[in-house]
Amino acid sequence: GQQVQQSPASLVLQEGENAELQCNFSTSLNSMQWFYQRPGGSLVSLFYNPSGTKHSGRLTSTTVIKERRSSLHISSSQTTDSGTYLCASYGSSGNKLIFGIGTLLSVKP
Amino acid sequence: ETAVFQTPNYHVTQVGNEVSFNCKQTLGHDTMYWYKQDSKKLLKIMFSYNNKQLIVNETVPRRFSPQSSDKAHLNLRIKSVEPEDSAVYLCASSPTGARAYEQYFGPGTRLTVL
Repeated sequence: GQQVQQSPASLVLQEGENAELQCNFSTSLNSMQWFYQRPGGSLVSLFYNPSGTKHSGRLTSTTVIKERRSSLHISSSQTTDSGTYLCASYGSSGNKLIFGIGTLLSVKP
Repeated sequence: ETAVFQTPNYHVTQVGNEVSFNCKQTLGHDTMYWYKQDSKKLLKIMFSYNNKQLIVNETVPRRFSPQSSDKAHLNLRIKSVEPEDSAVYLCASSPTGARAYEQYFGPGTRLTVL
């Protein structure tokens, strides 16, 4: 079936440390997207990254379609980065997002 | 700035009752979605509407029914709720075509079924 797997499930950092979040997806999926969800909050799209590398401030997303993986790198983490990071990919029909279970990030001061 | 509005924020009800959740988007998008986020935080799409027409209908129980009066509104009705319906229900909207990936989410409605 169509699957999106994320790792790690949870991550605890000290403020200032870097984080690397991974996402692997099945062959029938494409066009990876990363979202951020604050506790009790709605989802905010961070990157739409079908392939290659994209940067936004302290965030970098790299997608390698051939290897069916995407990563999200957070540099110099801050306490406000705490929350859940979700990756999602479009199904083969192209009209629905398939989500991973998320990585719960906690950044301590 | 919120552009996808959901009401209510929370709802607690008893098994067997009917509930209805509202969603409105002010972005002028043609496509709207309902997702369910369970206790394990897994998000799954339930329905997708394009300009009031149903285009995605995942395998959800028949007690769930989406209702769209115009392309800016997509409500969700649940007849006779069950305990497993306890979850956060997220509404989203997006443009159509090549920009369909630009999904904007509402804050969600948390449903608790006692």
